[in-house]
Amino acid sequence: QITLKESGPTLVKPTQTLTLTCTFSGFSLSTSGVGVGWIRQPPGKALEWLALIYWDDDKRYSPSLKSRLTITKDTSKNQVVLTMTNMDPVDTATYYCAHSRRYSAYGSFDYWGQGTLVTVSS
Amino acid sequence: DIQMTQSPSSLSASVGDRVTITCRASQSISTYLNWYQQKPGKVPKLLIYAASSLQSGVPSRFSGTGSGTDFSLTISSLQPEDFATYYCQQSYSTPRTFGQGTKLEIK
Repeated sequence: QITLKESGPTLVKPTQTLTLTCTFSGFSLSTSGVGVGWIRQPPGKALEWLALIYWDDDKRYSPSLKSRLTITKDTSKNQVVLTMTNMDPVDTATYYCAHSRRYSAYGSFDYWGQGTLVTVSS
Repeated sequence: DIQMTQSPSSLSASVGDRVTITCRASQSISTYLNWYQQKPGKVPKLLIYAASSLQSGVPSRFSGTGSGTDFSLTISSLQPEDFATYYCQQSYSTPRTFGQGTKLEIK
């Protein structure tokens, strides 16, 4: 059974750095083809893809946010960490992490965490 | 970036109706197209991957077609639990862009 759960602060101040952790179970990020991605959704708006890390440490970022994002993995802890620098109120959103299989599921996100709402406000 | 455009943005339909939502990519994405359903306050759920493959556990009234740039999601007979927002997403290249969503409402 695959599960993912996001954790991190619910409130950050403008200009601060956000660090979110995705802790997962039921799969290994050392298995070929497996990836974990981050997606966010501002209140009442559409989904926005942020970043993705694969089993082989291949990392992909949204070009519009690339300068602010870092994604890393700790295979031994079953965790993926996303950091986003210079937070702004427009970054207020629910942040999701999700499991992806590059080959057998065409890179879709088949399992999602429950999401965590991050509010950026002074 | 590949842009994904869904139509319509919103749709009103009745239980039992057949509805189709379309998604167009700004360039060819082969069949690297996925569909998600999201109910208010809930987590997105994968319905269809690879344009037409039904995710395990998803009712067979959902189907997907298309390749290249034009895709569609069809619900053959709407059920009350199907009223939600639907998103397409391309996984052909990064960034893995989503469409803007189609809100399916009860008529």
